[in-house]
Amino acid sequence: DSGVTQTPKHLITATGQRVTLRCSPRSGDLSVYWYQQSLDQGLQFLIQYYNGEERAKGNILERFSAQQFPDLHSELNLSSLELGDSALYFCASSVSQGQRRTYNEQFFGPGTRLTVL
Amino acid sequence: DAKTTQPTSMDCAEGRAANLPCNHSTISGNEYVYWYRQIHSQGPQYIIHGLKNNETNEMASLIITEDRKSSTLILPHATLRDTAVYYCIVRPRDGGSNYKLTFGKGTLLTVNP
Repeated sequence: DSGVTQTPKHLITATGQRVTLRCSPRSGDLSVYWYQQSLDQGLQFLIQYYNGEERAKGNILERFSAQQFPDLHSELNLSSLELGDSALYFCASSVSQGQRRTYNEQFFGPGTRLTVL
Repeated sequence: DAKTTQPTSMDCAEGRAANLPCNHSTISGNEYVYWYRQIHSQGPQYIIHGLKNNETNEMASLIITEDRKSSTLILPHATLRDTAVYYCIVRPRDGGSNYKLTFGKGTLLTVNP
């Protein structure tokens, strides 16, 4: 158990819909990352938040957005869903307060499997 | 981030050592080598990392060549539960607060009974 939780575990929805994925980082971790894993693209970095602020963006579509709340949990919002958005979405956390910043391994949650029909 | 090259797949007998190679010939001086693994559809799991010295922890050993252009992850006594995709990732030593991981295709290690 990495200490990172994600809900829901599975999500089935239709094209055009909007969903929200939730992530609770390990206690004390300031940074949250979102990754998408699809069969054809592999594991891809989407976006990172650090202590409530966006820090880095990867291959995230404009239809997707995220935020990190004051309690450090994060949500990934996916809208106007398409069939190709079906994937596993992972959240990871790192950078605990007081931790040496050059040794930031990431701890991954179990993922949310999104199926768009 | 430097590019890495790994074999697509490898087999290993249960109880034997599994040696997973990784080439990172364009690695720069401020980049670490990280290893993660992903057991079928689970979240990736950190294994080990190193800069230039060999490293060992309870999971594995990491051997980095002197020129740092390649490394080998060693699982000393592979078990069936070690069957997974293993990712070798090179990442800057100090990326500020940005530590995104760039995953390649990794190596599928299959441990056989």
